[in-house]
Amino acid sequence: AQSVAQPEDQVNVAEGNPLTVKCTYSVSGNPYLFWYVQYPNRGLQFLLKYITGDNLVKGSYGFEAEFNKSQTSFHLKKPSALVSDSALYFCAVRAPMDSNYQLIWGAGTKLIIKP
Amino acid sequence: EAGVVQSPRYKIIEKKQPVAFWCNPISGHNTLYWYLQNLGQGPELLIRYENEEAVDDSQLPKDRFSAERLKGVDSTLKIQPAELGDSAVYLCASSYRTSSGELFFGEGSRLTVL
Repeated sequence: AQSVAQPEDQVNVAEGNPLTVKCTYSVSGNPYLFWYVQYPNRGLQFLLKYITGDNLVKGSYGFEAEFNKSQTSFHLKKPSALVSDSALYFCAVRAPMDSNYQLIWGAGTKLIIKP
Repeated sequence: EAGVVQSPRYKIIEKKQPVAFWCNPISGHNTLYWYLQNLGQGPELLIRYENEEAVDDSQLPKDRFSAERLKGVDSTLKIQPAELGDSAVYLCASSYRTSSGELFFGEGSRLTVL
């Protein structure tokens, strides 16, 4: 069965430091991987996706994510955190052979950036 | 460009009462999704429309939930009767192309059932 795990409920980072939000997945075949962000009282927003090609994917707001096939991971990263990055981050995966194109979502990780 | 619009933002009802949520997707987006999100969890798909056709409703509890997307634009999600366990945020999303995986979400409708 397909699944996504975000092992950390919350990540705390000081402003200006690098941040990493972890995501691991289980899916048959080569996965399609996504990151979304949810700011307080706002809808989810698409950040970036990996389909194929370069393992390092760049997205919105200076975020990037690295696909690691051997570790079945797709961690979200940013070199220098901003207080405004504080939000809820969701990782999602889609199996390449799923004709319904259904996204399987992680439970989310709350990112807190302290000034 | 206007985003996905949902209403109401908040709804409080007593159990066994009916409730309806409305969604207006981004213009030109043929695919519309309804998701349910419980606190501390990721979204769970309820139904997906391609234009006016419900192409994936396998996770919609059809005994009490119904949805429609007349004319392939706006959509309504209804619960009748509501149960305590239905308290959650109901999210609407749309996409230009289903295969892209890039969904645009509304702000959600938070339902509290007392």
